[in-house]
Amino acid sequence: SAVISQKPSRDICQRGTSLTIQCQVDSQVTMMFWYRQQPGQSLTLIATANQGSEATYESGFVIDKFPISRPNLTFSTLTVSNMSPEDSSIYLCSAGDRGGTGELFFGEGSRLTVL
Amino acid sequence: DAKTTQPPSMDCAEGRAANLPCNHSTISGNEYVYWYRQIHSQGPQYIIHGLKNNETNEMASLIITEDRKSSTLILPHATLRDTAVYYCIVRSPTYTGANSKLTFGKGITLSVRP
Repeated sequence: SAVISQKPSRDICQRGTSLTIQCQVDSQVTMMFWYRQQPGQSLTLIATANQGSEATYESGFVIDKFPISRPNLTFSTLTVSNMSPEDSSIYLCSAGDRGGTGELFFGEGSRLTVL
Repeated sequence: DAKTTQPPSMDCAEGRAANLPCNHSTISGNEYVYWYRQIHSQGPQYIIHGLKNNETNEMASLIITEDRKSSTLILPHATLRDTAVYYCIVRSPTYTGANSKLTFGKGITLSVRP
């Protein structure tokens, strides 16, 4: 199984600022995803982080608000831009390999509070 | 949209088996059934998955009906630490696009009582 580390684990941010969340996997993986979990809700997929190309965003999420980088097969970042209180959520990174048994593994999440 | 339906909640007594049902009547031939759980304030944890045969690992057993339209996750001896939200998800691990995504529904909240 892959071990996924996220930084920061939590942060308190001011309205209008941006924050970048890092996701580090302990092994090379073909797939990386970013999720958002709003308070009391289930997980919602934001985007697929593609290595060497632009991320693929789900409906309702745009690159200007959530720019994503994936420079290699073990690392990705998610930036939450121009934050508002509605962006207060847990952001989770997920990773795994395409094919085989296809399990995906998750980090512990980054809890953002926007004031 | 999630392709599975689960009851919102259930409880069981500590030490007893917890049987968590899931309906996935529109599952396609290349989709597996995956189960994850999320303990409060933690990231989701992979439990088990299967295609059509019953599966067992150190955490749980997965029983899939012959027509593959439903499944049951069995925790054989539930403990208080098993209290969590359990998600049943159908997904194809090999294809790109929508079928390869892990789409979470609302899950079922399992409460294990002493």
